[in-house]
Amino acid sequence: ETGVTQSPTHLIKTRGQQVTLRCSSQSGHNTVSWYQQALGQGPQFIFQYYREEENGRGNFPPRFSGLQFPNYSSELNVNALELDDSALYLCASSLDVGGAFSQYFGPGTRLTVL
Amino acid sequence: EDQVTQSPEALRLQEGESSSLNCSYTVSGLRGLFWYRQDPGKGPEFLFTLYSAGEEKEKERLKATLTKKESFLHITAPKPEDSATYLCAVQAGVRTDKLIFGTGTRLQVFP
Repeated sequence: ETGVTQSPTHLIKTRGQQVTLRCSSQSGHNTVSWYQQALGQGPQFIFQYYREEENGRGNFPPRFSGLQFPNYSSELNVNALELDDSALYLCASSLDVGGAFSQYFGPGTRLTVL
Repeated sequence: EDQVTQSPEALRLQEGESSSLNCSYTVSGLRGLFWYRQDPGKGPEFLFTLYSAGEEKEKERLKATLTKKESFLHITAPKPEDSATYLCAVQAGVRTDKLIFGTGTRLQVFP
């Protein structure tokens, strides 16, 4: 059974650029959630995708957008990068929605915005 | 507003010295409480899910318990390899599956 994978591992961008982060869900999981974790903080929910549709969104501006593909993998896109976007971006997959299904996290992508 | 508070922020233990980490929560309609372990620079590793007050779960040296207001993660006879940040998260309400995390407890176990 393959766990959650994310790419790239690290990324350095400059302010104003755009970035795309990728996530492959755990085998058998159809739901993907994205979180942002600043240093010393707990992860903050960005949004969740289920059956290729957004299924809930946290307090993040529209320049944070996402996609889910038919194979349940997902992308997180961030436009017009700001210095405060520097963080560890985490993807988590779960079996389904609606119940208290456990979310399993990938290793994360460390984004640095200069 | 839904809120999760973890204490202490940091904990230093001697190897073999048992202790407990606390996670208190204020939410409407708890669906589940989750414990994760996170090593520096890595993604959180799932440990436990608790669904209702009175429930307990164990894994090796770790035991998680749940009441209506808080959860405890008990660590019995810890080893240096138990050093990590332990995160607590809740899932609540009916409209979203988002996890609301606390800021974590940073545990260091010395030989």
